[in-house]
Amino acid sequence: DQQVKQNSPSLSVQEGRISILNCDYTNSMFDYFLWYKKYPAEGPTFLISISSIKDKNEDGRFTVFLNKSAKHLSLHIVPSQPGDSAVYFCAASWRAGNMLTFGGGTRLMVKP
Amino acid sequence: NAGVTQTPKFQVLKTGQSMTLQCAQDMNHNSMYWYRQDPGMGLRLIYYSASEGTTDKGEVPNGYNVSRLNKREFSLRLESAAPSQTSVYFCASSFLDSGETQYFGPGTRLLVL
Repeated sequence: DQQVKQNSPSLSVQEGRISILNCDYTNSMFDYFLWYKKYPAEGPTFLISISSIKDKNEDGRFTVFLNKSAKHLSLHIVPSQPGDSAVYFCAASWRAGNMLTFGGGTRLMVKP
Repeated sequence: NAGVTQTPKFQVLKTGQSMTLQCAQDMNHNSMYWYRQDPGMGLRLIYYSASEGTTDKGEVPNGYNVSRLNKREFSLRLESAAPSQTSVYFCASSFLDSGETQYFGPGTRLLVL
């Protein structure tokens, strides 16, 4: 039973437009959420995170939104660039634990 | 500063063979982790080490053993490889042991025939 789900395996957007990647979770103990980006043949790299005490966190072109009541988070990339084409993983943890639980990933393709 | 390094990059094994995947970090992190990545499954935690001298099971530990050799190094051993262990293996480390930002190595691609 996957506790973190990314229901869209892939997403294609035009350069300059907004990319919205979604993630749902089931475990109400999670209080910290992260997004990782992964290029082929490389390890995942940390992109942005959000604590459960916030509902939004912004870093340049990347914004993560958290809706605790819906157990849903989303990553917005504005404007999207071809270099953003990668697999994006959302992950969740709780402060008392050591483990990150990952979603299955969404492959983003940004077309020039 | 190399970050997290893993060896080998790629390995082919026959069923029943054993091997050890090596991981080292130079960021003075306390915690280290081993994950496997399979298509559509994301990354699943195999084992982790919150600090030097301790190891704990993750979500999918069966068929694996680990050793936290020192603060820098954390190895993953497959005693008798099975085709189901064909995967890409990632090592990660973090400064704190509270599930916060983890830094990943480049991965080891393992094929078990």
